[in-house]
Amino acid sequence: QITLKESGPALVKPTQTLTLTCTFSGFSLSTNGVGVGWIRQPPGKALEWLAVIYWNDDKRYSPSLKSRLTITKDTSKDQVVLAMTNMDPVDTATYFCANLGSSWYIRYWGQGTLVTVSS
Amino acid sequence: DIQMTQSPSTLSASVGDRVTITCRASQSISSWLAWYQQKPGKAPKLLMFKASSLDRGVPSRFSGSGFGTEFTLTISGLQPEDFATYYCQQYNNYPLTFGGGTKVETK
Repeated sequence: QITLKESGPALVKPTQTLTLTCTFSGFSLSTNGVGVGWIRQPPGKALEWLAVIYWNDDKRYSPSLKSRLTITKDTSKDQVVLAMTNMDPVDTATYFCANLGSSWYIRYWGQGTLVTVSS
Repeated sequence: DIQMTQSPSTLSASVGDRVTITCRASQSISSWLAWYQQKPGKAPKLLMFKASSLDRGVPSRFSGSGFGTEFTLTISGLQPEDFATYYCQQYNNYPLTFGGGTKVETK
């Protein structure tokens, strides 16, 4: 059974760096073709893909946010970490992590974590 | 980036209705399209991949079609549990992009 769970601060201040951790089970990020990605959703708005990291450490980022994002993995801990710098109130959103296989649609999602950016 | 445009943004319907949602891509994505259903406070749920392949456990009243730049999701016989927001997503290439969503609400 594949599960993913996001963790991190619920509240960050403008200009701070957000660090989110995705802890997963039921698959290994050492397996050929496997990736873990991040998607966010501002309240009442659409989904926005942010970043993905693959088993071979290949990383892809949203072009519009690339300069602010860093995604890393710790295979021994079954975790993926997303860092987003220079947070702004417009970054207030629910952040989801997800399992991506060799096909890039998403069957397995975390429950999401709401991050509010406010002073 | 490939832009995904959904229409309508809101759809009012009744139980038993046949409902169709359209998703258009700004360039050809072959059949590399997925559909998701999302209910308030929940993560999206995969309904369809490769434009017309039903995911495991998804009722057969859901169907998908299309190729290239134009796609549709059809619900034949809307059920109470189908009132939700639906998103399309292209996975032809990175960056992955989603449509703006279609909210199916009660008429």
